[in-house]
Amino acid sequence: QVQLVESGGGLVKPGGSLKLSCLVSGFTFNDHYMSWIRQAPGKGLEWISYIDTLGNVIYYADSVRGRFTVSRDNARNTMSLQTNNLRSEDTAVYYCARGQDYIWGSPHDFWGQGTLVVVSS
Amino acid sequence: SYFLTQPPSVSVAPGKTARVTCGGNNVGTQSVHWYQQRPGQAPVLVIYDNNDRPSGIPERFSGSNSGNTATLTISGVEAGDEADYYCQVWHRSRGVFGGGTKLTV
Repeated sequence: QVQLVESGGGLVKPGGSLKLSCLVSGFTFNDHYMSWIRQAPGKGLEWISYIDTLGNVIYYADSVRGRFTVSRDNARNTMSLQTNNLRSEDTAVYYCARGQDYIWGSPHDFWGQGTLVVVSS
Repeated sequence: SYFLTQPPSVSVAPGKTARVTCGGNNVGTQSVHWYQQRPGQAPVLVIYDNNDRPSGIPERFSGSNSGNTATLTISGVEAGDEADYYCQVWHRSRGVFGGGTKLTV
């Protein structure tokens, strides 16, 4: 069955860095685009990044552009999110989500359970 | 920037029909996806491309999209439908989510 498992979250001081990972199984990873989506405590969903099947097309939300970097390793079935210069407003549960297929515009049809990032001094 | 507007909350009695709206400029020209999120859980896709249902989603869930409003309709609402619902589109290299609607049964 399709599984997405995030890891790498934790407590970090403002200005610090974390690398989040999403390990997937149960499907052909390089047939699907992937996204990172976050949810601050008690708040709604916020899309933050998209990466296409080969890692050639990448988009970011304005709130993280220049600080976060997404990548994928299709051989290892893994997507990563390097987060730098973290701010208190980056505190959230970070979800990785699978695109239904490779097509831009298709929905996120499977989500991981999320990893919590807390930015606090 | 593009924004999607949802009512913060909708209440419905069991067995009745709930409608959750998602407003956006000419949203009717875009494909809208809907997600259900129960407390403490990850979101689940319930409607995609305006009115298609993933396998395993009950026929009670349906969607429509026209003009400036997309609507998620849940017929014969059950207690288990109580959750937050989010609409989402892709717009100019961005993913955009609505603010979410808490459905109370």
